[in-house]
Amino acid sequence: DTAVSQTPKYLVTQMGNDKSIKCEQNLGHDTMYWYKQDSKKFLKIMFSYNNKELIINETVPNRFSPKSPDKAHLNLHINSLELGDSAVYFCASSQGVGITEAFFGQGTRLTVV
Amino acid sequence: DQQVKQNSPSLSVQEGRISILNCDYTNSMFDYFLWYKKYPAEGPTFLISISSIKDKNEDGRFTVFLNKSAKHLSLHIVPSQPGDSAVYFCAASASGTYKYIFGTGTRLKVLA
Repeated sequence: DTAVSQTPKYLVTQMGNDKSIKCEQNLGHDTMYWYKQDSKKFLKIMFSYNNKELIINETVPNRFSPKSPDKAHLNLHINSLELGDSAVYFCASSQGVGITEAFFGQGTRLTVV
Repeated sequence: DQQVKQNSPSLSVQEGRISILNCDYTNSMFDYFLWYKKYPAEGPTFLISISSIKDKNEDGRFTVFLNKSAKHLSLHIVPSQPGDSAVYFCAASASGTYKYIFGTGTRLKVLA
C-alpha cells in the first residue's frame, strides 16, 4: 500500500515533446512537492503546494507546469522537453512543513534524447 | 548557494562499528532538521529528525545531534550493519517556508 506513488518510473522521450508525470499520496497530507535530482545528485525543490495552492516556484522554467486537481494529487507537465531536463523527479508530501517529515515517491527517471 | 552541506561524499565503516555522518548549514532560520536514507532507484526514506529546541534525538540505532551554535548536525548509527549501506541526505526547513533544503548526500558503505 504505497504512500506516495508516481508514474511512470521511467520515461524516455525526444527533445521537443510534451510529457506528464503523475503523483498521488494516500496519507491525507495537505502539502505536496516536486523535487529534481540532477546528474550531480543534488535534490532541489521545484514546487510546493499546500491545499491545492501553489506556494513555492523555485525559478523553474515556465515549461514546467504543476497541477493539483485535489489535495491527494500533484502532477507535473513539461512542455518542449530539452536535453537538460533529463533527471530524476521526486514527488513528496507532508502534513504541513517545518515540524514533520516529508514522504517521497520512488522517483521518475526522465531521459530526453 | 548551498545552505546545507555534507562535506564527506563517502564513508566506509566496518560492520558493528559506529558510523558518523556530518552536516553543516548556514541559514540560522532553519528550525527543523531531518536525515533521509536513499537506496539506488528508490525515493529518499525518512530516518530521524530533530527540532531546533533539542540537541539530541534517538531512535533505536540512530541518534541525531544538533549543535546550533556551530550550525552543525550529525547522525550516529550504532552498530552499523551492511543493510545501512546507502546514500544519506540531511535536510533542513524553516517554519512557514514550505520546503526542505537538502544536502548533497554522503554514501555510506558498511563492510561485512
